[in-house]
Amino acid sequence: AIQLTQSPSSLSASVGDRVTITCRASQGISSALAWYQQKPGKAPKLLIYDASSLESGVPSRFSGSGSGTDFTLTISSLQPEDFATYYCQQFNSYPLQLTFGGGTKVEIK
Amino acid sequence: QVQLVQSGAEVKKPGASVKVSCKASGYTFTGYYMHWVRQAPGQGLEWMGRINPNSGGTNYAQKFQGRVTMTRDTSISTAYMELSRLRSDDTAVYYCARDQTGTTDYYYYYYMDVWGKGTTVTVSS
Repeated sequence: AIQLTQSPSSLSASVGDRVTITCRASQGISSALAWYQQKPGKAPKLLIYDASSLESGVPSRFSGSGSGTDFTLTISSLQPEDFATYYCQQFNSYPLQLTFGGGTKVEIK
Repeated sequence: QVQLVQSGAEVKKPGASVKVSCKASGYTFTGYYMHWVRQAPGQGLEWMGRINPNSGGTNYAQKFQGRVTMTRDTSISTAYMELSRLRSDDTAVYYCARDQTGTTDYYYYYYMDVWGKGTTVTVSS
């Protein structure tokens, strides 16, 4: 089974900072990775799919990169509304399994 | 607009079953798989399985095999997730989410683009 390991598990940053979150897969998954943002008490929201494709309506300060086993989510200039928890996700067909990373909580410094 | 509306909060006793519904609108219900994901208090996201609303075919996460049943009623564009033999550690928010599948020359990729607001299930004696 493919595991996804996110780092860091939490970080403190200031408005305007550049923030990078890493997701590492236990085996190669091409670019088949998605990123979600979740705020307290709310459902997750899709940000990025296929590792680097920005979902419609998501601000361009969010970007994703990577392939194989190493992926990053970058927020180029952190905004107040970006303080949330971020999850990566992959779906493997054989064996059929969908996995989320453990999450990265972005907090205000 | 595309929307998934889930049923209301439930309180159940250990050993009971719970059935959560997810009504889809704004798109062709049978055209997209539906996933179920849960989140225990203060914890991360956990995939439970998916259903093909067109065929009724299901795929369940190994952890939930034998305890979860996903069904659908195409006449009312609604998906259901039933979890049996509830335990206290099944206390969680349960989400339905619409699947999107893309393809390149070399691989498929899958993600969830629309989510319900979640249904809180509390298991307590």
